Amino acid sequence: QKEVEQNSGPLSVPEGAIASLNCTYSDRGSQSFFWYRQYSGKSPELIMFIYSNGDKEDGRFTAQLNKASQYVSLLIRDSQPSDSATYLCAAYNYGQNFVFGPGTRLSVLP
Amino acid sequence: EAGVAQSPRYKIIEKRQSVAFWCNPISGHATLYWYQQILGQGPKLLIQFQNNGVVDDSQLPKDRFSAERLKGVDSTLKIQPAKLEDSAVYLCASSETSLQFFGPGTRLTVL
Repeated sequence: QKEVEQNSGPLSVPEGAIASLNCTYSDRGSQSFFWYRQYSGKSPELIMFIYSNGDKEDGRFTAQLNKASQYVSLLIRDSQPSDSATYLCAAYNYGQNFVFGPGTRLSVLP
Repeated sequence: EAGVAQSPRYKIIEKRQSVAFWCNPISGHATLYWYQQILGQGPKLLIQFQNNGVVDDSQLPKDRFSAERLKGVDSTLKIQPAKLEDSAVYLCASSETSLQFFGPGTRLTVL
């Protein structure tokens, strides 16, 4: 059974701090990785994706991938209360399908 | 560009009744997914279509769930008969590449 694991949280950080969200996956054939943000009562919204080992930055968000360790992370710099949401990690194996983790609930405290 | 459309947004039924959900993907997206998201969990794939063909339905409870995508555009997901444990949000997503985008979902409550 292919799995994606995340700490369920809640992860609480003060406003302006860096939030670090982590994800591990079991399928070594996974090639692409995605971070979705999901506000309560809303559907998931794609915020970052990464295919290659290393870092990928987009504004306040940085995704990090280490395929050898089967580890993906998302860093949110200068966290804002509006970043409070559940963050879903997903792994994708071409020719197969997406596997989502259970999500990490982030709370940014003003 | 219009996003993924779903209807209805909310549905309340009694157990053993039937229900159907509709999804219209982003124009041009060949791949369409139906997910079930139970409160506090990540989305679980029910079925994936490529145009009007089924790519993966391994996690679809076929004794009660069915889905179709006629003409490779709109799709419907049906549950018959519904059980209490089917209470969840049913998400439709579509993709052109590996980037998938979700619709607003249908929140189903089975009493």
